[in-house]
Amino acid sequence: DSGVTQTPKHLITATGQRVTLRCSPRSGDLSVYWYQQSLDQGLQFLIQYYNGEERAKGNILERFSAQQFPDLHSELNLSSLELGDSALYFCASSVEGGGSTDTQYFGPGTRLTVL
Amino acid sequence: DAKTTQPTSMDCAEGRAANLPCNHSTISGNEYVYWYRQIHSQGPQYIIHGLKNNETNEMASLIITEDRKSSTLILPHATLRDTAVYYCIVRVAKDTDKLIFGTGTRLQVFP
Repeated sequence: DSGVTQTPKHLITATGQRVTLRCSPRSGDLSVYWYQQSLDQGLQFLIQYYNGEERAKGNILERFSAQQFPDLHSELNLSSLELGDSALYFCASSVEGGGSTDTQYFGPGTRLTVL
Repeated sequence: DAKTTQPTSMDCAEGRAANLPCNHSTISGNEYVYWYRQIHSQGPQYIIHGLKNNETNEMASLIITEDRKSSTLILPHATLRDTAVYYCIVRVAKDTDKLIFGTGTRLQVFP
């Protein structure tokens, strides 16, 4: 158990819909990262928040957005969902804002299925 | 970016040491090597990391060659629960915010 929690575990929805994934970081961690794992793309970094502010952005679609709240939990919002958005979505957290020795710890993930 | 090369798959007998190699010939002097593993579709699990010296923790040992162009993750006594995909990742100095996952090595531990 990494200490990172994600809800829900599974999500099934239809194309065109909008969903929200939630992540609670480990106690004391200030950074939250979101990753997407699909069958054809592998694990890909989407976005990082540090202490409420966006810190780094990866291959995140414009239909996707995220935020980190004052209590440091984060939400990933996915809208206008397409079949290709079906994937595992992982959240990770770390103590600092990034850096060579700032280890990231991953949550159990949310499996999103778009029908 | 410092890229890594790992074998696609490996087998190991239960109770034996599993030695997982990783090549990172373009690594820079201040870039760390990290290892994670992913069991089935669970979240990636941090194993160990190092810069130039060998490292050991309760899960594994990391051996980095003197020229730092390759490393080996050693699971000293593999169990069936160690069956997973193992990822070797170089934390790129200019881009340390994200982890860049490759395709990893699928380790199968058999009885």
